[in-house]
Order: sequence, then C-alpha cells, then structure tokens
Amino acid sequence: GEDVEQSLFLSVREGDSSVINCTYTDSSSTYLYWYKQEPGAGLQLLTYIFSNMDMKQDQRLTVLLNKKDKHLSLRIADTQTGDSAIYFCAEKDSGNTGKLIFGQGTTLQVKP
Amino acid sequence: ETGVTQTPRHLVMGMTNKKSLKCEQHLGHNAMYWYKQSAKKPLELMFVYNFKEQTENNSVPSRFSPECPNSSHLFLHLHTLQPEDSALYLCASSPGQGGEKLFFGSGTQLSVL
Repeated sequence: GEDVEQSLFLSVREGDSSVINCTYTDSSSTYLYWYKQEPGAGLQLLTYIFSNMDMKQDQRLTVLLNKKDKHLSLRIADTQTGDSAIYFCAEKDSGNTGKLIFGQGTTLQVKP
Repeated sequence: ETGVTQTPRHLVMGMTNKKSLKCEQHLGHNAMYWYKQSAKKPLELMFVYNFKEQTENNSVPSRFSPECPNSSHLFLHLHTLQPEDSALYLCASSPGQGGEKLFFGSGTQLSVL
C-alpha cells in the first residue's frame, strides 16, 4: 500500500539550514506537500510541488523532488526558533478522493 | 486565522456520553474532511464530503457519525467511544474533492475516560 516515511527528529542551531527528508511509495502521486504543525494547532500548508517539477523555492523554503528515488526534501534556510514545529510530508492519493497520505512527522528543534 | 474553525478545542467525555464536534469553513470550499491524529501515528483520513455528499468513509467504526448539512459545516457525532479513540480530531477543507490544497482547523483534543 501507499506509505510515506520521515525521520522523527531533527535538531539544528539557529541560523543553520535544516533539511527534512521524506520518502514515499506511490509513483503516480500528482502532488507532494509539506505541512507544519505548531503545538496546540492544526496543520498549516507550507508548500507543495507538482510531480513534474524537481525543485520549488519559496523565500526560505526549498523543496527538492527526486521522482526516480521517490524522495522529497524540505530545506529551511537561516532556521529560526519560530520554525520549531512538527513537519509533515504528504502525497496525494492517485485516485480522485482528495485523500492525502501523511508521514509521521519530523519534529524540528531549533536551538538558540 | 486559517478560515477553518473547530469547536470545542478540548473535550473530555465518558464512554457512555454523546457529544458532537463542529467544524465551519469560511473559505467557500466545496470539500470537507475529518482526520484523526493519534500520538506517534500518521494522520488518518476518516471521512470526505464533497458538495455535502459523503464520498469516502475510511472504514471508520459506527460510533463516529459524520453530518454535513451544507458545504460550510461539518459535524462529527460521537457516542459510546472507547479510550483508544482519544486523539486530536482535525477538520479540513479544500476547494474541490481533488484535495490539492487542504486547509486545516486547529483541531479538537478529545479524551475518552
């Protein structure tokens, strides 16, 4: 079945770059997403990438997609303490149900 | 402000109680979703509604009963829940059923005693 996997924890120092990695199994996914969840809050869509792209940049965020290896990454430049949160990778189900398959989330800890 | 509002934020209920979770979206979207977020598990899709019609039930036990009276409102009626149903219940909406962009509410943290 479809599966999305992420490492569970990443710790970086303020000002460094963070790279959060994700692997997925559904090669027919059309969209891949990164969501951010702060404590006590719902998920916030950070960015997404179409499967026919290999890179997307949005201010401090860079998404890289390697379709051959089914690998997605999110790079956060100049990481700030406010970036501390859980980051979820998700792929859109290949059907038309709107179903997103989420990873378990990577907790990003930013140390001052 | 995400445009998707969920109430209550926190709910504690006994296994014999009946309660309801409410979700309202102010984004003009046509599709609404219920997701369950349990500790140390990926988000699980529960239900999908598109133009008020249920289009997906992800094998959810009947003790969870969704209701979608219109495209802006979604309810989740709860009865005779089990302690393992304790979780964060997230509502989301998207412009269409394709789900290209899901907008989430802040969730209801449910504890079943």
